[in-house]
Amino acid sequence: DAKTTQPPSMDCAEGRAANLPCNHSTISGNEYVYWYRQIHSQGPQYIIHGLKNNETNEMASLIITEDRKSSTLILPHATLRDTAVYYCIVRAAGGTSYGKLTFGQGTILTVHP
Amino acid sequence: EAQVTQNPRYLITVTGKKLTVTCSQNMNHEYMSWYRQDPGLGLRQIYYSMNVEVTDKGDVPEGYKVSRKEKRNFPLILESPSPNQTSLYFCASSLGATDTQYFGPGTRLTVL
Repeated sequence: DAKTTQPPSMDCAEGRAANLPCNHSTISGNEYVYWYRQIHSQGPQYIIHGLKNNETNEMASLIITEDRKSSTLILPHATLRDTAVYYCIVRAAGGTSYGKLTFGQGTILTVHP
Repeated sequence: EAQVTQNPRYLITVTGKKLTVTCSQNMNHEYMSWYRQDPGLGLRQIYYSMNVEVTDKGDVPEGYKVSRKEKRNFPLILESPSPNQTSLYFCASSLGATDTQYFGPGTRLTVL
């Protein structure tokens, strides 16, 4: 899996959009970008994933740059319950080791009242 | 309810005493995986299984064993636990390797 780089922490005001960046400059053509989050010490929760097109679901939007070297997770209206560690992961859709999944350090997002 | 369960949730044991942490999913998922989480090191994959009788090493497999004799269960075995295996362990499953992973609630293991 390609490595990802995320800022260690970010703050956001409640009700505002939270934009979490992720750099994955060594991503290859068959690798997807996934986002998970972990609240306290609970099991991580899937948020969204994409290959090259922007994606949106009920939780968030994922914007992937045209060269696919970076992406941004957008929580459109952050709430206090969105305070969590957010992980950006890239993983292959096939190949000999596509079962491997490498989480990085993630970004601690703190949403303030 | 679709879920991944782990047992026990908390365990304190002593060095060298063999233990097994069970993981079970009721979603008929083919892919299952074990992770450990340590402060400052994030989540690291221990072993994963693409299907019954198919397992492979993750990033930190040393000191652990797994088996996948049936689709729903993926136990993690520590034959001779050591203090450096004190950690928070998560099991996860997904339909296929690249599908959304569903995580269990975690098992907090302390090895004295």
